[in-house]
Amino acid sequence: QKEVEQNSGPLSVPEGAIASLNCTYSDRGSQSFFWYRQYSGKSPELIMSIYSNGDKEDGRFTAQLNKASQYVSLLIRDSQPSDSATYLCALGGGYQKVTFGIGTKLQVIP
Amino acid sequence: ETGVTQTPRHLVMGMTNKKSLKCEQHLGHNAMYWYKQSAKKPLELMFVYNFKEQTENNSVPSRFSPECPNSSHLFLHLHTLQPEDSALYLCASSASSLGTDTQYFGPGTRLTVL
Repeated sequence: QKEVEQNSGPLSVPEGAIASLNCTYSDRGSQSFFWYRQYSGKSPELIMSIYSNGDKEDGRFTAQLNKASQYVSLLIRDSQPSDSATYLCALGGGYQKVTFGIGTKLQVIP
Repeated sequence: ETGVTQTPRHLVMGMTNKKSLKCEQHLGHNAMYWYKQSAKKPLELMFVYNFKEQTENNSVPSRFSPECPNSSHLFLHLHTLQPEDSALYLCASSASSLGTDTQYFGPGTRLTVL
């Protein structure tokens, strides 16, 4: 049984700061890693996906994957109040279904 | 606005009622999913359909009955539900049911069982 561990938060950061969201997982066979953002009362939407070790940048967002240590993180630079949401870590691979973490609630304080 | 729509958006039903949730995807995907999202719990996968065939039933009680008439439509038939079934029910689709494909979610149905 795959497990995806996230701190549920809330994680509070001031506007303009870097928000760091972390996720650890137990299944070394996982191949695909996703970060979804879910605003209150809304459905999850994909922020980034990452498949190989290292960093992947997209605008203010950077995903970092370290398969040896079994963690994946999401950095949000220049955090904005509009980034306040719950961030879901998810992982999958091949014929394995995608498993979601509980999500970390991020609060960006103006 | 996503390419996955769900109706109704809100549903209140008694324990003896029968209702259905509908999901439609306009993305040309082959896989569709039902998830349950409860407070303080991770998303729970309920059912997976790939090319209209059910490939996953995650030990869901029989009071939930899925139906997938084609790759674009997915239903969840509900009957004799319990109050603990109150949750947000999310439909999603992806190109295939492989764990490497991004899933796209509908807006969800907020279900309240009285």
